[in-house]
Amino acid sequence: DTGVSQNPRHKITKRGQNVTFRCDPISEHNRLYWYRQTLGQGPEFLTYFQNEAQLEKSRLLSDRFSAERPKGSFSTLEIQRTEQGDSAMYLCASSLEARWQNYNSPLHFGNGTRLTVT
Amino acid sequence: DQQVKQNSPSLSVQEGRISILNCDYTNSMFDYFLWYKKYPAEGPTFLISISSIKDKNEDGRFTVFLNKSAKHLSLHIVPSQPGDSAVYFCAASGPDHLTGANSKLTFGKGITLSVRP
Repeated sequence: DTGVSQNPRHKITKRGQNVTFRCDPISEHNRLYWYRQTLGQGPEFLTYFQNEAQLEKSRLLSDRFSAERPKGSFSTLEIQRTEQGDSAMYLCASSLEARWQNYNSPLHFGNGTRLTVT
Repeated sequence: DQQVKQNSPSLSVQEGRISILNCDYTNSMFDYFLWYKKYPAEGPTFLISISSIKDKNEDGRFTVFLNKSAKHLSLHIVPSQPGDSAVYFCAASGPDHLTGANSKLTFGKGITLSVRP
């Protein structure tokens, strides 16, 4: 178990450019989440997947944002036409949902990708 | 609307004493509550959780108390150590409308704990 891995750790981009982040979850986890965190705030939910299905998207996720998890393993988060307001820490988390066990599983977070839009 | 509230932005305690971190929530559908610890430049690390069927859960130096009628939970750290200095987030979740299982977490803004040697 190597934990949740996110790449890159830092990304600096100019306004208007597209960026893509990658997340590799804990291998046996079937759920994958994206969160965004800005200074002085807690993590804010963006979207989550169960296997390859995207089950929920926050209204924070504008049409410039798209997330995929094509084979139910790693996920990518793309931001098109970046704006300065997109500058934040983007966090990925994974968990194992085992409904048949009637068990609540905590989310395990990666160390995030810090995006700076200049 | 802030569904999970951590009203005190910071707390400072002496090493060896008790740290009490408080959290309030407004959504009565929440039934699973967690505490995370976060160091700078790292992601949040899971600390301890509690289900709404319990009112207390203990793990070593960490104890979480849940008061459902008051929609309030607290994290007690005894004894506090300098290595406990970090930002602590309270989080909560409720049943997902699609799957019926718990899913996304809603976080508070966090409390910065400083433990003085």
